[in-house]
Amino acid sequence: EVQLVESGGGLVQPGGSLRLSCAASGFTFSNYNMNWVRQAPGKGLEWVSYIPSSSGTIYYADSVKGRFTISRDNAKNSLYLQMTSLGAEDTAVYYCASSLYCSGGSCYSPWGQGTLVTVSS
Amino acid sequence: EIVMTQSPATLSVSPGERATLSCRASQSVGNNFAWYQQKPGQPPRLLIYGASTRATGIPARFSGSGSGTEFTLTISSLQSEDFAVYYCQQYNNWPRTFGQGTKVEIK
Repeated sequence: EVQLVESGGGLVQPGGSLRLSCAASGFTFSNYNMNWVRQAPGKGLEWVSYIPSSSGTIYYADSVKGRFTISRDNAKNSLYLQMTSLGAEDTAVYYCASSLYCSGGSCYSPWGQGTLVTVSS
Repeated sequence: EIVMTQSPATLSVSPGERATLSCRASQSVGNNFAWYQQKPGQPPRLLIYGASTRATGIPARFSGSGSGTEFTLTISSLQSEDFAVYYCQQYNNWPRTFGQGTKVEIK
Protein backbone atom coordinates (compact mmCIF):
# COMPACT_ATOMS: atom_id res chain seq x y z
CA GLU A 1 0.00 0.00 0.00
CA VAL A 2 1.29 3.42 -0.95
CA GLN A 3 1.59 5.72 2.04
CA LEU A 4 2.93 9.15 2.89
CA VAL A 5 3.03 9.87 6.59
CA GLU A 6 3.99 13.30 7.89
CA SER A 7 5.32 13.99 11.37
CA GLY A 8 7.05 16.70 13.33
CA GLY A 9 4.28 19.25 13.61
CA GLY A 10 3.35 20.95 16.84
CA LEU A 11 3.24 24.21 18.73
CA VAL A 12 6.22 26.52 18.26
CA GLN A 13 6.84 30.08 19.37
CA PRO A 14 7.19 32.91 16.87
CA GLY A 15 10.75 33.02 15.58
CA GLY A 16 11.25 29.36 16.33
CA SER A 17 12.16 26.41 14.14
CA LEU A 18 10.65 23.06 13.34
CA ARG A 19 11.56 20.12 11.12
CA LEU A 20 8.84 18.19 9.38
CA SER A 21 9.31 14.68 8.03
CA CYS A 22 7.37 12.63 5.50
CA ALA A 23 7.91 8.87 5.43
CA ALA A 24 7.09 7.20 2.14
CA SER A 25 6.31 3.53 1.63
CA GLY A 26 4.82 1.23 -0.97
CA PHE A 27 6.57 2.78 -3.96
CA THR A 28 10.07 3.58 -5.24
CA PHE A 29 10.46 6.91 -3.50
CA SER A 30 13.73 7.77 -5.22
CA ASN A 31 12.00 7.85 -8.62
CA TYR A 32 9.54 10.61 -7.81
CA ASN A 33 9.59 14.34 -7.31
CA MET A 34 8.10 15.51 -4.03
CA ASN A 35 6.35 18.58 -2.75
CA TRP A 36 5.16 20.27 0.41
CA VAL A 37 1.77 21.98 0.32
CA ARG A 38 0.17 23.78 3.25
CA GLN A 39 -3.30 24.85 4.25
CA ALA A 40 -3.96 27.49 6.87
CA PRO A 41 -7.00 26.85 9.08
CA GLY A 42 -10.17 27.41 7.07
CA LYS A 43 -8.19 28.53 4.02
CA GLY A 44 -7.16 27.17 0.64
CA LEU A 45 -4.13 25.26 -0.54
CA GLU A 46 -0.70 26.87 -0.91
CA TRP A 47 2.21 25.13 -2.60
CA VAL A 48 5.35 25.52 -0.48
CA SER A 49 8.30 23.70 -2.01
CA TYR A 50 9.44 21.14 -4.57
CA ILE A 51 12.41 18.80 -4.74
CA PRO A 52 13.25 16.60 -7.73
CA SER A 53 13.78 12.86 -7.44
CA SER A 54 17.56 13.15 -7.56
CA SER A 55 19.60 16.11 -8.74
CA GLY A 56 18.00 19.21 -10.13
CA THR A 57 16.48 22.53 -9.20
CA ILE A 58 14.65 23.00 -5.94
CA TYR A 59 11.84 25.54 -5.81
CA TYR A 60 10.21 27.51 -3.01
CA ALA A 61 7.22 29.77 -2.70
CA ASP A 62 8.26 33.38 -2.17
CA SER A 63 6.51 33.33 1.20
CA VAL A 64 9.01 30.79 2.58
CA LYS A 65 12.13 31.41 0.52
CA GLY A 66 15.17 31.91 2.71
CA ARG A 67 13.40 30.48 5.76
CA PHE A 68 12.44 26.93 4.72
CA THR A 69 14.69 24.21 3.34
CA ILE A 70 13.41 21.09 1.61
CA SER A 71 15.53 17.96 1.49
CA ARG A 72 15.19 14.23 1.01
CA ASP A 73 16.99 11.05 1.92
CA ASN A 74 16.22 8.46 -0.73
CA ALA A 75 17.96 5.74 1.29
CA LYS A 76 15.49 6.36 4.11
CA ASN A 77 12.49 7.00 1.83
CA SER A 78 12.00 10.30 3.59
CA LEU A 79 11.25 13.91 2.74
CA TYR A 80 11.96 16.81 5.07
CA LEU A 81 11.08 20.45 5.54
CA GLN A 82 13.28 22.51 7.83
CA MET A 83 11.39 25.62 8.88
CA THR A 84 13.02 28.59 10.60
CA SER A 85 11.97 32.11 11.60
CA LEU A 86 8.42 30.92 11.91
CA GLY A 87 5.60 33.41 12.14
CA ALA A 88 1.87 33.24 12.74
CA GLU A 89 1.35 33.20 8.97
CA ASP A 90 3.05 29.79 8.84
CA THR A 91 0.35 28.19 10.97
CA ALA A 92 -1.14 25.49 8.76
CA VAL A 93 -1.52 21.82 8.06
CA TYR A 94 1.49 20.76 6.04
CA TYR A 95 1.03 18.00 3.49
CA CYS A 96 3.66 16.12 1.57
CA ALA A 97 2.61 15.09 -1.92
CA SER A 98 4.08 12.96 -4.67
CA SER A 99 3.48 12.81 -8.39
CA LEU A 100 3.30 9.02 -8.34
CA TYR A 101 -0.16 8.76 -9.89
CA CYS A 102 0.24 11.56 -12.43
CA SER A 103 1.51 9.50 -15.38
CA GLY A 104 4.66 11.54 -15.69
CA GLY A 105 2.98 14.85 -15.07
CA SER A 106 3.49 17.12 -12.12
CA CYS A 107 0.14 17.01 -10.41
CA TYR A 108 -0.07 15.79 -6.82
CA SER A 109 -1.20 12.30 -5.92
CA PRO A 110 -1.00 10.77 -3.43
CA TRP A 111 -1.00 13.13 -0.46
CA GLY A 112 -0.18 12.43 3.14
CA GLN A 113 -2.69 13.07 5.91
CA GLY A 114 -0.87 16.21 6.98
CA THR A 115 0.77 17.51 10.14
CA LEU A 116 -0.40 20.64 11.94
CA VAL A 117 2.07 23.42 12.69
CA THR A 118 0.87 26.10 15.08
CA VAL A 119 2.99 29.19 15.62
CA SER A 120 1.91 30.99 18.75
CA SER A 121 3.28 32.38 21.98
CA GLU B 1 2.87 34.25 -10.69
CA ILE B 2 -0.11 32.72 -12.42
CA VAL B 3 -3.34 33.55 -10.63
CA MET B 4 -6.03 30.87 -10.71
CA THR B 5 -9.56 32.20 -10.26
CA GLN B 6 -12.40 29.80 -9.51
CA SER B 7 -16.09 30.48 -9.89
CA PRO B 8 -18.45 30.40 -8.24
CA ALA B 9 -17.17 30.48 -4.69
CA THR B 10 -20.14 28.41 -3.58
CA LEU B 11 -22.42 26.24 -5.67
CA SER B 12 -25.71 25.00 -4.25
CA VAL B 13 -26.90 21.88 -6.05
CA SER B 14 -29.52 19.24 -5.39
CA PRO B 15 -28.47 15.58 -5.42
CA GLY B 16 -28.79 14.15 -8.91
CA GLU B 17 -28.30 17.52 -10.57
CA ARG B 18 -25.37 18.57 -12.74
CA ALA B 19 -22.65 20.82 -11.35
CA THR B 20 -20.32 22.94 -13.44
CA LEU B 21 -17.25 24.52 -11.85
CA SER B 22 -14.96 26.96 -13.64
CA CYS B 23 -11.33 27.96 -13.28
CA ARG B 24 -9.51 30.67 -15.16
CA ALA B 25 -5.74 31.11 -15.33
CA SER B 26 -4.21 34.58 -15.65
CA GLN B 27 -1.99 33.26 -18.46
CA SER B 28 -1.87 30.08 -20.50
CA VAL B 29 -0.94 26.89 -18.66
CA GLY B 30 -1.50 24.59 -21.63
CA ASN B 31 -2.90 21.30 -20.34
CA ASN B 32 -0.77 21.32 -17.18
CA PHE B 33 -3.81 21.62 -15.00
CA ALA B 34 -5.51 19.57 -12.29
CA TRP B 35 -8.66 19.43 -10.19
CA TYR B 36 -8.74 18.22 -6.59
CA GLN B 37 -11.56 17.40 -4.19
CA GLN B 38 -11.23 17.98 -0.47
CA LYS B 39 -13.59 16.93 2.30
CA PRO B 40 -13.36 18.23 5.88
CA GLY B 41 -10.47 16.77 7.81
CA GLN B 42 -9.05 14.99 4.78
CA PRO B 43 -6.21 15.74 2.39
CA PRO B 44 -7.04 16.76 -1.16
CA ARG B 45 -7.74 13.96 -3.63
CA LEU B 46 -6.71 14.22 -7.26
CA LEU B 47 -9.69 14.05 -9.62
CA ILE B 48 -8.44 15.25 -12.98
CA TYR B 49 -4.96 15.88 -14.39
CA GLY B 50 -3.78 16.98 -17.79
CA ALA B 51 -6.97 19.08 -17.82
CA SER B 52 -9.18 16.13 -18.85
CA THR B 53 -7.74 12.81 -17.66
CA ARG B 54 -9.55 11.20 -14.77
CA ALA B 55 -7.28 9.92 -12.03
CA THR B 56 -7.37 6.26 -11.11
CA GLY B 57 -10.55 5.30 -9.31
CA ILE B 58 -12.43 8.52 -10.07
CA PRO B 59 -16.02 7.88 -11.21
CA ALA B 60 -17.00 8.70 -14.77
CA ARG B 61 -19.49 11.34 -13.58
CA PHE B 62 -16.47 13.62 -13.12
CA SER B 63 -15.12 15.17 -16.31
CA GLY B 64 -12.67 17.93 -17.05
CA SER B 65 -12.32 20.11 -20.10
CA GLY B 66 -10.49 23.15 -21.35
CA SER B 67 -6.97 24.23 -22.13
CA GLY B 68 -4.89 27.37 -22.03
CA THR B 69 -6.67 29.68 -19.62
CA GLU B 70 -10.23 28.35 -19.28
CA PHE B 71 -11.09 25.08 -17.57
CA THR B 72 -14.26 23.35 -16.44
CA LEU B 73 -15.02 20.52 -14.05
CA THR B 74 -18.41 18.90 -14.60
CA ILE B 75 -20.08 16.51 -12.21
CA SER B 76 -22.86 14.99 -14.25
CA SER B 77 -25.13 13.82 -11.43
CA LEU B 78 -24.19 14.84 -7.92
CA GLN B 79 -24.03 12.11 -5.33
CA SER B 80 -24.05 12.73 -1.58
CA GLU B 81 -20.32 12.00 -1.36
CA ASP B 82 -19.53 14.74 -3.90
CA PHE B 83 -20.40 17.60 -1.58
CA ALA B 84 -16.96 19.03 -0.86
CA VAL B 85 -14.55 21.80 -1.79
CA TYR B 86 -12.91 21.64 -5.21
CA TYR B 87 -9.59 23.24 -6.10
CA CYS B 88 -7.95 23.83 -9.42
CA GLN B 89 -4.18 23.95 -9.84
CA GLN B 90 -1.69 24.81 -12.56
CA TYR B 91 1.61 22.99 -12.77
CA ASN B 92 2.96 24.66 -15.88
CA ASN B 93 4.89 27.47 -14.20
CA TRP B 94 6.69 28.17 -10.94
CA PRO B 95 5.35 28.85 -8.43
CA ARG B 96 2.65 26.23 -8.66
CA THR B 97 -0.65 27.88 -7.81
CA PHE B 98 -4.11 26.81 -6.71
CA GLY B 99 -7.46 28.45 -7.08
CA GLN B 100 -9.25 29.63 -3.95
CA GLY B 101 -11.72 26.76 -4.09
CA THR B 102 -15.37 26.19 -4.92
CA LYS B 103 -17.59 24.76 -2.20
CA VAL B 104 -20.29 22.48 -3.55
CA GLU B 105 -23.10 22.35 -1.02
CA ILE B 106 -26.46 20.68 -0.79
CA LYS B 107 -29.34 22.82 -2.00
